[in-house]
Amino acid sequence: QQQVKQSPQSLIVQKGGISIINCAYENTAFDYFPWYQQFPGKGPALLIAIRPDVSEKKEGRFTISFNKSAKQFSLHIMDSQPGDSATYFCAGISGGSYIPTFGRGTSLIVHP
Amino acid sequence: DVKVTQSSRYLVKRTGEKVFLECVQDMDHENMFWYRQDPGLGLRLIYFSYDVKMKEKGDIPEGYSVSREKKERFSLILESASTNQTSMYLCATISGTRGYTFGSGTRLTVV
Repeated sequence: QQQVKQSPQSLIVQKGGISIINCAYENTAFDYFPWYQQFPGKGPALLIAIRPDVSEKKEGRFTISFNKSAKQFSLHIMDSQPGDSATYFCAGISGGSYIPTFGRGTSLIVHP
Repeated sequence: DVKVTQSSRYLVKRTGEKVFLECVQDMDHENMFWYRQDPGLGLRLIYFSYDVKMKEKGDIPEGYSVSREKKERFSLILESASTNQTSMYLCATISGTRGYTFGSGTRLTVV
C-alpha cells in the first residue's frame, strides 16, 4: 500500500529551468509534509517542509505548493542548477507521530 | 546539530554470515531508526527504537534484528545474510521538530 505516490521517478532538466516533482497522499491524518534531498554517497537531508494550513512555502529557489483538497503537494526548483542534481523524497507524517511515510523518490539530473 | 555516524561505508559479506551494522548519534536522542534504500522502492523502515533496550518493528523487519544497549548506539543485525539483503542501509534519528537526520549510509553487498 503506497500512501504517498511520487512522480516522476526520474527527471532531466536543463540548467536554468524549473524542476517540478509531484506527490499525492491518501492519509488525511498527515499534518506535516517534509522534502528530503539526497546527494550520491550521502544520506537524505531535510530540505523544506510544509504544514497543510498554508498553500505555499518558499525557501530560496525551492518552493512547496500544497493543495489540501486534492491531497497533492509539489516541489518546485526554480533556476535549476547542476548542483541540484540529487534524489528527492517527499513524505507525510501523521499528527502525533514522528515516522514519515516516504514517496519512492525522484532522481533529478540538471544538465549544464 | 545532531550527527549520525555509521561505522562502515561499504561492506561485502558472504551468504549466511552474521552481519552487524553500527550507528551512533551524538545528541542523546531517544528515537533511532534503520531504513534500507533500494532503487525504485525508496526508503523502507526496518526497525526503530524509542529508548534503550526498546525496539519496534517497521515495515520490513523479516531477516533483521536490532540492539540498543546504550542510548547513542543502535545496531542492525542480519542474522544470516542473504543476497536479497544487498542494499543501502541508512540510520537516522529525530532532529528539530519532526525531521530526520540520516547517517551517510552503509552499502552492503552480500555475495
